[in-house]
Amino acid sequence: GENVEQHPSTLSVQEGDSAVIKCTYSDSVSNYFPWYKQELGKGPQLIIDIRSNVGEKKDQRIAVTLNKTAKHFSLHITETQPEDSAVYFCAATSLGGGGADGLTFGKGTHLIIQP
Amino acid sequence: DVKVTQSSRYLVKRTGEKVFLECVQDMDHENMFWYRQDPGLGLRLIYFSYDVKMKEKGDIPEGYSVSREKKERFSLILESASTNQTSMYLCASTTGFFTEAFFGQGTRLTVV
Repeated sequence: GENVEQHPSTLSVQEGDSAVIKCTYSDSVSNYFPWYKQELGKGPQLIIDIRSNVGEKKDQRIAVTLNKTAKHFSLHITETQPEDSAVYFCAATSLGGGGADGLTFGKGTHLIIQP
Repeated sequence: DVKVTQSSRYLVKRTGEKVFLECVQDMDHENMFWYRQDPGLGLRLIYFSYDVKMKEKGDIPEGYSVSREKKERFSLILESASTNQTSMYLCASTTGFFTEAFFGQGTRLTVV
């Protein structure tokens, strides 16, 4: 099955700086890569996703890049703000589709925005 | 807005008890999932369901079972709770392939 590695486990950045979280996956047929944000006391919530036919996707201060050859993808947050503090999870699907067969998640990154 | 509701935020149960965790979604989603979340281990899939009365094992099904008698409801059952099942349990639903998973707020279960 799919295996997703996520780094770092904790990331502390100054407010206004950029943050980058990196993930690698093992199954070369994986084709859907979402990122989830989990705030304290809440369930994870989708913030951005990318499909294998796209190399980069951006939504305001958040961007995701995908390198299928190297089997890694990254989340980039620019101009970080206090409300960006949360745990972030990357995920990937194996053959069969992400929605039904279940996403394989990374172990999470605790992002801390220092004032 | 899609809403996934888990019946309890916090539960404390005794070792050996039979425990039911309930999840209801209100958007007619076909697929429903139960995950377990532990510090340093991320989210791990316990069971999922494509349709009513259908269920499939995830990565860590041992010690758990599920029930899906109605499309909107997916129950996780711990037949005989053990202390190593103390965890945060998250329910999710999706409408199909490569689509957003909507999560409930989680149930923090403590087995003593």
